[in-house]
Amino acid sequence: DTGVSQDPRHKITKRGQNVTFRCDPISEHNRLYWYRQTLGQGPEFLTYFQNEAQLEKSRLLSDRFSAERPKGSFSTLEIQRTEQGDSAMYLCASSRSGSGDSYEQYFGPGTRLTVT
Amino acid sequence: AQKITQTQPGMFVQEKEAVTLDCTYDTSDQSYGLFWYKQPSSGEMIFLIYQGSYDEQNATEGRYSLNFQKARKSANLVISASQLGDSAMYFCAMRSYNAGNNRKLIWGLGTSLAVNP
Repeated sequence: DTGVSQDPRHKITKRGQNVTFRCDPISEHNRLYWYRQTLGQGPEFLTYFQNEAQLEKSRLLSDRFSAERPKGSFSTLEIQRTEQGDSAMYLCASSRSGSGDSYEQYFGPGTRLTVT
Repeated sequence: AQKITQTQPGMFVQEKEAVTLDCTYDTSDQSYGLFWYKQPSSGEMIFLIYQGSYDEQNATEGRYSLNFQKARKSANLVISASQLGDSAMYFCAMRSYNAGNNRKLIWGLGTSLAVNP
């Protein structure tokens, strides 16, 4: 079990550029979540996948944001035309599913985005 | 609407002493779960402990225990015998298990814990 991995760990980009982040969940986990965390705040939910299906998107996820999980394994989060307000830590988490449904979410190390 | 409130922005504790981090929650759901996570300065969220709304016993995991008072809607984290490595941000989070919920976590603002030698 190698844990949840995210790439890159840090990204500095200029306003208006597009960025893409990748998340590799724990292999047997079929649920994958994206959260955004700004300084001094708790994480905010962005979107959720069960296998390859994107089941919910937060209203925080504007049209500039898109997420995919094409084969139900890794996921990508793309931000188009980045704005300074997009600067944050982007966290990915994965979990199992089952009848108990109390399974905790395991988080990756995050991708810290800085938009200049 | 669901909400998590952590009223202690910062806490200090002496090494080897116990500390309680407060968490209150608001939900109209009958079935839900409460989680505590630790976030060191490195940024990664580390799961600590879980309490289900129907669990009668307070959850314990090593030095961590959860003081669950359902009627008061509180789920305080107790860390016993604090260690220097416990210095971190601590987040309380909640998830609803009602049908149709996507199981996303709702988070508090966190409490910064500093353990003094």
